[in-house]
Amino acid sequence: AQRVTQPEKLLSVFKGAPVELKCNYSYSGSPELFWYVQYSRQRLQLLLRHISRESIKGFTADLNKGETSFHLKKPFAQEEDSAMYYCALHSWGKLQFGAGTQVVVTP
Amino acid sequence: NAGVTQTPKFQVLKTGQSMTLQCAQDMNHNSMYWYRQDPGMGLRLIYYSASEGTTDKGEVPNGYNVSRLNKREFSLRLESAAPSQTSVYFCASSEGLSYNSPLHFGNGTRLTVT
Repeated sequence: AQRVTQPEKLLSVFKGAPVELKCNYSYSGSPELFWYVQYSRQRLQLLLRHISRESIKGFTADLNKGETSFHLKKPFAQEEDSAMYYCALHSWGKLQFGAGTQVVVTP
Repeated sequence: NAGVTQTPKFQVLKTGQSMTLQCAQDMNHNSMYWYRQDPGMGLRLIYYSASEGTTDKGEVPNGYNVSRLNKREFSLRLESAAPSQTSVYFCASSEGLSYNSPLHFGNGTRLTVT
């Protein structure tokens, strides 16, 4: 069965420090993976998708099929990065989300 | 454009009461979804509608019913609310079921069942 695991419930980092949010998945086919973000008092929204190989707001995520991971990284965290981040796996027309990681960036 | 609009924003129910959560989108999207968000469990899919006229169960459908009233509207009904249904409910829509169609979410409905 497919599964998305985000092992960290809370990640607290200092402004300017690197941040990495872990996401591991289990899926029998070729995975389509995404990161969604929910800022305080805002709607949940798409941050980035692995197929685009893009960098959004300084964040990147690389799909590692060998390690079945899709970790989200940013070299220098900013206070505005404080939010709830969800890793999600697309399967049979539906998105399956991980439990989420709350990121707190302190000055 | 409002995007995805959910009503109400907050609701308190007593065990056994019924209610309907409303969702409407103005993006001409084909697919719509209902998720619930619980601490430590992320978002779990309750029901979804791939297109107007179709609905399918998601991961946690028990205790819920849905209606795809038209292309714009997708409602979620709790026939007999239980404390386990205390949660934040999110409606979402997308152009279709393809992975190339990102989900657009509403602001959520915070439901408390006492």
